[in-house]
Amino acid sequence: AQRVTQPEKLLSVFKGAPVELKCNYSYSGSPELFWYVQYSRQRLQLLLRHISRESIKGFTADLNKGETSFHLKKPFAQEEDSAMYYCALRTTGFQKLVFGTGTRLLVSP
Amino acid sequence: DTAVSQTPKYLVTQMGNDKSIKCEQNLGHDTMYWYKQDSKKFLKIMFSYNNKELIINETVPNRFSPKSPDKAHLNLHINSLELGDSAVYFCASSQGSGSEQFFGPGTRLTVL
Repeated sequence: AQRVTQPEKLLSVFKGAPVELKCNYSYSGSPELFWYVQYSRQRLQLLLRHISRESIKGFTADLNKGETSFHLKKPFAQEEDSAMYYCALRTTGFQKLVFGTGTRLLVSP
Repeated sequence: DTAVSQTPKYLVTQMGNDKSIKCEQNLGHDTMYWYKQDSKKFLKIMFSYNNKELIINETVPNRFSPKSPDKAHLNLHINSLELGDSAVYFCASSQGSGSEQFFGPGTRLTVL
């Protein structure tokens, strides 16, 4: 069965510090990985996906199939990055999204 | 404003009642979803509809009955509400099941 693990419930850093939100997955097929973000009082929105290999708001994530990881990184955190971050995997077949339990990022001034 | 909208935003009700949550999208998408986010912020898919046809049902109790009158709407009806149903319910839509999902603002359901 597919599973997404985000080991940290809360990650607290100071502004300007590097950030890494961890995500590991378990899936027998070819995975498609995403990061979604939910800012306070806002709806969940797509941040980035592994197939596009892009940087959004300074965040990047690389799919490492050997380590089955898709960690989200940003070299210099900003206060406006404070939010709930969800890693998600899309399955083949019915193509449903399986979410991790989320990590709350808190960036302090 | 193109978006996914849900009503109501908040719903407080007693155990045993029946309630509905409505979802509408004006993005022209053909696939819609319902997700449940529990008190620990765990987000899990409940249902998915494509062109008004049910394609995913994640072993949700049959007290939950989704209804899709057309491609733009996916409503969720819940019978005999239980305390454990308290959660935030998110609707989402996408064009096909393989493209980006756009989420609604959520409906916070509290069962007393």
